Amino acid sequence: NAGVTQTPKFQVLKTGQSMTLQCAQDMNHEYMSWYRQDPGMGLRLIHYSVGAGITDQGEVPNGYNVSRSTTEDFPLRLLSAAPSQTSVYFCASSFKGLGETQYFGPGTRLLVL
Amino acid sequence: QQQVKQSPQSLIVQKGGISIINCAYENTAFDYFPWYQQFPGKGPALLIAIRPDVSEKKEGRFTISFNKSAKQFSLHIMDSQPGDSATYFCAASILSGGFKTIFGAGTRLFVKA
Repeated sequence: NAGVTQTPKFQVLKTGQSMTLQCAQDMNHEYMSWYRQDPGMGLRLIHYSVGAGITDQGEVPNGYNVSRSTTEDFPLRLLSAAPSQTSVYFCASSFKGLGETQYFGPGTRLLVL
Repeated sequence: QQQVKQSPQSLIVQKGGISIINCAYENTAFDYFPWYQQFPGKGPALLIAIRPDVSEKKEGRFTISFNKSAKQFSLHIMDSQPGDSATYFCAASILSGGFKTIFGAGTRLFVKA
């Protein structure tokens, strides 16, 4: 099992550019989430999904879109990158619920200039 | 009421010493309290977790102490080693009903050799 995988590992964008962060899991987990990690602020939930075709907003959803067409994949789209979106992004999955143990990917470090 | 407050922000401990990280919560409905360990450049991973029906859980050198009446829980790392140097996140959630995990802000631990 590869667990949760994320690509790319590192990305530099210019303000206004768009991009998609990829996330995939091979554990057949129904629940998937995107978090951003900023110094001193812990992990903040961006968007989450409770199954294929079902997504919802988390704590900090503005500027991001998600979709879940399959159980395995949960991409995060930045529509028009801003310097405030410079962060480390983690995808996570869990088996039975969002409150259960989260299995995290290795992260994508994003720098927006 | 949904916050989890974690302290200290950073901690330096001598090799062989005890590392203590504290967390406090307000929502008495929380029923799952995990701790995650994150090494530099990696995603967080579950270290140890406790349910509120016990006051202490020990796994090797790692112990969670839980005080339900004070709404506090803490992580103790006995005989701290340089390999324990990482960021530690406490978290809280409700296992049923679709509740999302709430993370503390994190503690950066450095164990001096």
